[in-house]
Amino acid sequence: GAVVSQHPSWVICKSGTSVKIECRSLDFQATTMFWYRQFPKQSLMLMATSNEGSKATYEQGVEKDKFLINHASLTLSTLTVTSAHPEDSSFYICSALDRLASSYEQYFGPGTRLTVT
Amino acid sequence: AQSVSQHNHHVILSEAASLELGCNYSYGGTVNLFWYVQYPGQHLQLLLKYFSGDPLVKGIKGFEAEFIKSKFSFNLRKPSVQWSDTAEYFCAAGGSASKIIFGSGTRLSIRP
Repeated sequence: GAVVSQHPSWVICKSGTSVKIECRSLDFQATTMFWYRQFPKQSLMLMATSNEGSKATYEQGVEKDKFLINHASLTLSTLTVTSAHPEDSSFYICSALDRLASSYEQYFGPGTRLTVT
Repeated sequence: AQSVSQHNHHVILSEAASLELGCNYSYGGTVNLFWYVQYPGQHLQLLLKYFSGDPLVKGIKGFEAEFIKSKFSFNLRKPSVQWSDTAEYFCAAGGSASKIIFGSGTRLSIRP
């Protein structure tokens, strides 16, 4: 089945630094990937839609200059949290759409837990 | 506005009990509906999905869901739950190849 990986699985950084999270589709090509964040005991909130070769589309209330998204290839999207602050601590999850599949199922990565100290 | 509502925040059942988790959606146009499960410490997995056709959808692990268009509902059911079904369950809705909106989730606890 379709597999999506994320790296790193967890990261601790100091306030003011930047952190990059990678999302890879391992056995399929994904023209579209999505980035979510999940707070403890809460649902997934969509942050942005990442399209290969074009600018990401951000949801209302998400700062695009703070959460930089790059989708440079059909198998890789990256999320960079710039100038991280403790309130950015969260669980970040990506998902990917298989461009060749007839279904519209998203395949989810295992998530990255970010802790900003 | 597009939204997905799950009214049960936490459900506690005994093993072998029947399960029904409610999900209502508000979505313009053609809608695709999903149920995802998140076991403790694991990532989201798709339980089942509805795109078109038979409104009664069967998924993995004995789960099923029924799409009732007139009620804007897509409730998840299982006739007999097991302890291993303890998890967080998310209902979601989306259009074709577009973003998915998740409900707030329902935590299911099964007493052995």
